Amino acid sequence: NAGVTQTPKFRILKIGQSMTLQCTQDMNHNYMYWYRQDPGMGLKLIYYSVGAGITDKGEVPNGYNVSRSTTEDFPLRLELAAPSQTSVYFCASSYTTLNQPQHFGDGTRLSIL
Amino acid sequence: AQSVTQPDIHITVSEGASLELRCNYSYGATPYLFWYVQSPGQGLQLLLKYFSGDTLVQGIKGFEAEFKRSQSSFNLRKPSVHWSDAAEYFCAGSAQGGSEKLVFGKGTKLTVNP
Repeated sequence: NAGVTQTPKFRILKIGQSMTLQCTQDMNHNYMYWYRQDPGMGLKLIYYSVGAGITDKGEVPNGYNVSRSTTEDFPLRLELAAPSQTSVYFCASSYTTLNQPQHFGDGTRLSIL
Repeated sequence: AQSVTQPDIHITVSEGASLELRCNYSYGATPYLFWYVQSPGQGLQLLLKYFSGDTLVQGIKGFEAEFKRSQSSFNLRKPSVHWSDAAEYFCAGSAQGGSEKLVFGKGTKLTVNP
């Protein structure tokens, strides 16, 4: 029962570096999401995907990119890390539409120094 | 704008006491509503959901929530809190319709005193 798996769990980056946050799910869910969580701010949607090959911007997409080549994987790319991207990142998935219950991974805590 | 508001940032209760966490929504029609719980260092776990029908919804871990249209509220309740309920709780909402996305409240952190 892996569910949604995120790697790495923790990472420290220097300003200007790039990295990819990995997310994979084994529930055959069509819909996948990336959120960021900042203290006292709840969750903000970065990008989402409704199926392989289809992605769209959420509320806070600037500075991020995504791809969805398979149903299982939905990586999030930071090209030029900035201190404002210090956050906890959560990947989630749902079986059907965007407003159905979502299953979350355990998060990636990212610090940009 | 469609929104979900959790008025309480932090709530402290004693173990064994009852709990009510508040959630207010701003949607034109009846929204889909959810409560999630986040334990430290973990992702969010769904406690319960409301789509339509019976306004009192039962969830996991002994939680329930009541949809009140007249008050635009969907408050989460538990009759007797356990120390393991200490966590952060998020209310989320969405308009009906397959293309509508979830909007999360800012969360309420629950502390349980022994």
